Order: sequence, then C-alpha cells, then structure tokens
Amino acid sequence: QSVLTQPPSASGTPGQRVTISCSGSSSNIGGTNNVHWYHQLPGTAPKLLIYSNDERPSGVPDRFSGSKSGTSASLAISGLQPEDEADYYCATWDDSLSAVVFGGGTKLTVL
Amino acid sequence: QVQLQESGPGLAKSSETLSLTCTVSGGSINGYYWSWIRQPPGKGLEWIGYIYYRGSANYNPSLKSRVTISLDTSKNQFSLKLTSVTAGDTAVYYCARSLYASGSIWFDPWGQGTLVTVSA
Repeated sequence: QSVLTQPPSASGTPGQRVTISCSGSSSNIGGTNNVHWYHQLPGTAPKLLIYSNDERPSGVPDRFSGSKSGTSASLAISGLQPEDEADYYCATWDDSLSAVVFGGGTKLTVL
Repeated sequence: QVQLQESGPGLAKSSETLSLTCTVSGGSINGYYWSWIRQPPGKGLEWIGYIYYRGSANYNPSLKSRVTISLDTSKNQFSLKLTSVTAGDTAVYYCARSLYASGSIWFDPWGQGTLVTVSA
C-alpha cells in the first residue's frame, strides 16, 4: 500500500488529453512539499517528467503538465501519442515518514 | 551530460550483504545529492536513501538499520550496502542524481538499473 495513491491504469486514444491523479495527505502533498512525476517506458529506467509540481525539465514536450492542489496532484498529457504508453509515478517528501515516497504507479495505455 | 552506471553482483545470498557501486561520468559528484532507489520485479519504486557530496546521508526509515551509502569523490562513485538481505530485497536497483530545492528532492538522471536477486 503506497503512501501516495494513483489509479493503477489509465487509457486514451491518440490526440486525446488524459490526466493521472496522485492523492496524498497533509504530511506529504498537502504540506509544503513539491510533487515530481516520472515515466518509465517498458524495460527502461524511470525518467524525470515534471519537477516541483509544474516544472518541465529541458527536452520534455509541453504536452506534459503538472499541477498541485491541496493534498492532490495531477499530471496531464495532451495530444496523446503512442510513445506515451508507459508507467507514470508521482513522488514527494513525507514529513511524518522522513522519506521520499512514491505513488504506486499508473500504467497508461494508448488505444 | 551526466550519466550513471550501476555495477555489482547480480546475485546475493540470503542473510548476506548486497553491495553495489554507481559510477558517475560526464560530471562531478561534487555539489549534489546522490540516491539509491529500488523496484521489485513488477512493482513500484522505493527510495532507499541519499548521500550529500560532503558525506552526510539520509536513509528510508524502513531500511535504515540495514543500509549504508558512502561515496568516493576521487573515483566519482557512490556505493550502497544492504545487510541481512532476504528474498524481499530482490529488485532492480537504480542510482540517481538527486536535486534538492525548497525542502524537496527529485531524481535526474537515473542509471539504467541493475537486477539483484537474493537466493536462499
């Protein structure tokens, strides 16, 4: 059972907009801690997608955007492409656990 | 650009110590935090701990009693030791550069990962 809750799966067709949620609590997302998102293509290492809630590293398309509100965060992917099919993880610091915590991951399928 | 590569035995015996090294190339280990993260087969990610280039470390409380992360700045490497391993420690182990701002830490880039299997 992960500290951060993500839907196990999500799907969309090419060109669609999909969102993936990440729900936490006052000791992690709801505090002053920023949320980060990673994606993991099959058989590869995770890669940073969004940091500090809504910042994109260089090289990440602006189709990807992040937001945070209260004790939840969201990742939005617009103009869905087949190569977006991957596992997506949110992460943040938890003040109570004194640890980095990850969501359980969301498997995105592009239909 | 910075690249990370994990190395070490792919097999560890139950109750023994797992040891891995991460070699950083294309940049210096100085100035950053460096982390280990693991992923059991078919499961999610678990942060193990990080070390600051000046030597201070912070570990996941769930693993703290068994984990040591150290670094060798002369070799641009940092290492992980996990003692008293069990089958539950079987995972792909990733090393990653850790960026820290405003009390928040994130990982970029990651190494390719190395699978460590714990056998009886």
